[in-house]
Amino acid sequence: EAGVAQSPRYKIIEKRQSVAFWCNPISGHATLYWYQQILGQGPKLLIQFQNNGVVDDSQLPKDRFSAERLKGVDSTLKIQPAKLEDSAVYLCASSLGVTAYNSPLHFGNGTRLTVT
Amino acid sequence: GQNIDQPTEMTATEGAIVQINCTYQTSGFNGLFWYQQHAGEAPTFLSYNVLDGLEEKGRFSSFLSRSKGYSYLLLKELQMKDSASYLCAVMRKGAGNNRKLIWGLGTSLAVNP
Repeated sequence: EAGVAQSPRYKIIEKRQSVAFWCNPISGHATLYWYQQILGQGPKLLIQFQNNGVVDDSQLPKDRFSAERLKGVDSTLKIQPAKLEDSAVYLCASSLGVTAYNSPLHFGNGTRLTVT
Repeated sequence: GQNIDQPTEMTATEGAIVQINCTYQTSGFNGLFWYQQHAGEAPTFLSYNVLDGLEEKGRFSSFLSRSKGYSYLLLKELQMKDSASYLCAVMRKGAGNNRKLIWGLGTSLAVNP
């Protein structure tokens, strides 16, 4: 099966600029996650979608971050305006869904964001 | 509260066996995952445990004790390519049918010749 697709692979922007990341999950996967991973740390969940509804966005900095999954398939994550501390790898992952409780997450290759 | 602890770094020799421990404290425990992450790459799924005991998959095995809040990942016949970060993640069942993964910070394993 095709894996989780993410783009771009790398992005360098200046602080206060905006940036958007795109993710296409594995076909048939109802749950989609956006994670932020800072070097040397575990992934931090930003937002979790079940189909096109938000399940958990408690750690999403909503003053600058937004995400959508309009048709319940692909998703975009936006940062506006970016800060230096947003420099990280942004990982998209998908899984079959909450009913498949032991369904592992499948991750995309991530977008490495550098904010200067 | 919710907490996951694993060692920050470990070193082992090629061909040896290494055990990476993970302890956790959480309510609503609903399974534990181990992921491998090579530098600059995305995490890849290694194993899942929800019942007590040992799950074996080739050179990798994972053990769980729910009463002790403890798991370990056992890597046998270590190879240089096993140098990576190993992430422990606990699935927690919350209100309704919502399940949430709580991630550890990862253990960086260096395999030396």
